[in-house]
Amino acid sequence: AQKVTQAQTEISVVEKEDVTLDCVYETRDTTYYLFWYKQPPSGELVFLIRRNSFDEQNEISGRYSWNFQKSTSSFNFTITASQVVDSAVYFCALSELPLKGTYKYIFGTGTRLKVLA
Amino acid sequence: GAVVSQHPSRVICKSGTSVKIECRSLDFQATTMFWYRQFPKQSLMLMATSNEGSKATYEQGVEKDKFLINHASLTLSTLTVTSAHPEDSSFYICSAGQGRGGHQETQYFGPGTRLLVL
Repeated sequence: AQKVTQAQTEISVVEKEDVTLDCVYETRDTTYYLFWYKQPPSGELVFLIRRNSFDEQNEISGRYSWNFQKSTSSFNFTITASQVVDSAVYFCALSELPLKGTYKYIFGTGTRLKVLA
Repeated sequence: GAVVSQHPSRVICKSGTSVKIECRSLDFQATTMFWYRQFPKQSLMLMATSNEGSKATYEQGVEKDKFLINHASLTLSTLTVTSAHPEDSSFYICSAGQGRGGHQETQYFGPGTRLLVL
């Protein structure tokens, strides 16, 4: 069964610390997509990254980086030199080709990150 | 690019009334739109998937007569909560899929609508 696990419910760090948010997924398919979204206190989910199952290259975007490892079914997200504005709930999601009907995301339960000044 | 708007952002209504929420993709056409519900400190719960010009597909346990979804065009989907009751109070979020269709699409989310039913 498809499943996304974000075991860290809440993380608190002090500003400028690095922090890694874990995401582990389960899927029956060989072709799938993984996503990370940020949900700040305002509530709107902001798209951060999409990664397909055939591309295991790590990606870096400014202070953000992602480590995708198929061998461990993980897609972890690291924020370097965290800032107070990074405080939000972060969701990992999985999208795969459905057996029938329209695709849909499987969301993890989210990790609440608090960055303290 | 890839902006999704949602209106209204907040609504308070009396029990028994109906509330309509609009979701628009502003700078792209979306074949598929999604409606989610989110309770405080919880993840998103998919309510239904909406395809332009066809009936919405509801998730198990979601009453389709209670939550009416219309996807009239490639840029507009509406969710109507009929005869709302206090237990319908929640944060409703829509998203629109951008891409060529299918599971490789990226969903872009609207800002959400906070519904409070008194």
